[in-house]
Amino acid sequence: EAQVTQNPRYLITVTGKKLTVTCSQNMNHEYMSWYRQDPGLGLRQIYYSMNVEVTDKGDVPEGYKVSRKEKRNFPLILESPSPNQTSLYFCASSGRSYNEQFFGPGTRLTVL
Amino acid sequence: QKEVEQNSGPLSVPEGAIASLNCTYSDRGSQSFFWYRQYSGKSPELIMSIYSNGDKEDGRFTAQLNKASQYVSLLIRDSQPSDSATYLCAVGSSGYSTLTFGKGTMLLVSP
Repeated sequence: EAQVTQNPRYLITVTGKKLTVTCSQNMNHEYMSWYRQDPGLGLRQIYYSMNVEVTDKGDVPEGYKVSRKEKRNFPLILESPSPNQTSLYFCASSGRSYNEQFFGPGTRLTVL
Repeated sequence: QKEVEQNSGPLSVPEGAIASLNCTYSDRGSQSFFWYRQYSGKSPELIMSIYSNGDKEDGRFTAQLNKASQYVSLLIRDSQPSDSATYLCAVGSSGYSTLTFGKGTMLLVSP
């Protein structure tokens, strides 16, 4: 089954404790992206990757890091989480640039 | 700053009616336009894409694009209660690298 998976699905952590949210896709897609979704602000892009070892900032990259060492994986790293990073995070992938992105199930992160 | 504007709603329509959802965008160089449906607590799901001016139909859904007016719309014919969701308009950048999403319009279809 074609899918984008994210882990964990739910996470409660404390300020400053480094965390990684994993994202994996099994569709051989070149393009992958991370978004956060907040009430009243909608979906905003954090980082995207056009291919292996090619990443770039989206609209809200501050406080986040990413890496793309393999085509299927695109982890999101929060080196020192803060409460304003409490949000619902989605990973997405696409076979052709940003077109027709498939979204993962989401990760709800709470930073205390 | 690229912007995508949508009426937040809720848009309420009776079952069987036509629901009309609208979106305007600021980047005149945008090339690709998408409609996603998001049920409460779920991830966005692509339902329509449109790349050139005019109409594109897929089942009960019709996407309309007018690049001169920087306007894209989604019509849902014969609306069903299962269509009740938030509909997100997304616009692709002229550099073919990023999508900008509107904040979404909530649609409520009453039986």
